[in-house]
Amino acid sequence: QQQVKQSPQSLIVQKGGISIINCAYENTAFDYFPWYQQFPGKGPALLIAIRPDVSEKKEGRFTISFNKSAKQFSLHIMDSQPGDSATYFCAASSSSASKIIFGSGTRLSIRP
Amino acid sequence: GAVVSQHPSRVICKSGTSVKIECRSLDFQATTMFWYRQFPKKSLMLMATSNEGSKATYEQGVEKDKFLINHASLTLSTLTVTSAHPEDSSFYICSASGRLSGANVLTFGAGSRLTVL
Repeated sequence: QQQVKQSPQSLIVQKGGISIINCAYENTAFDYFPWYQQFPGKGPALLIAIRPDVSEKKEGRFTISFNKSAKQFSLHIMDSQPGDSATYFCAASSSSASKIIFGSGTRLSIRP
Repeated sequence: GAVVSQHPSRVICKSGTSVKIECRSLDFQATTMFWYRQFPKKSLMLMATSNEGSKATYEQGVEKDKFLINHASLTLSTLTVTSAHPEDSSFYICSASGRLSGANVLTFGAGSRLTVL
């Protein structure tokens, strides 16, 4: 019940295309859903996050779509650029717990 | 924004020696710090959670005598890998959360690559 399932494991997108990464969770106590971006040899960096009171959050080219009833959320990267090539992790946590549960990660490659 | 500094970024040591990795919150008070281990092309594996001034809570399967965690102040936590062996070689990452940001809003360090010869 603590798992966060992430797909796909890897993704190749042409420059200018839309990258979509999906995550699903089971624990209904989760109330915070961040996405992290990690470049090789670096620590993860918070990209964007959403709470379940909204169905969508947009920051620049990055959008989170959240479906509370389906217990799913996804990251959309519009106009994908080669600099977006990185590993992306979704995550989930609850306010009452200190742990964040990470998805397995998606290696995104943007082809020039 | 919140910044977490992790040092050293890379360390190579001989088998049997101990290595200390520092994690500092530079511009906020970190009430909770987390230590992760990451294998190549894998997700982050939580090793332990530490709150300032109290003992760390280790995840199942993590040897607390092997991986010593100290969180002596609101800005510093350390991970000491004792009697390191080649299988301890990995990428170790810390993260921190503060009172203002909330317990589940994490800032990560840049990670420390440990290689044990």
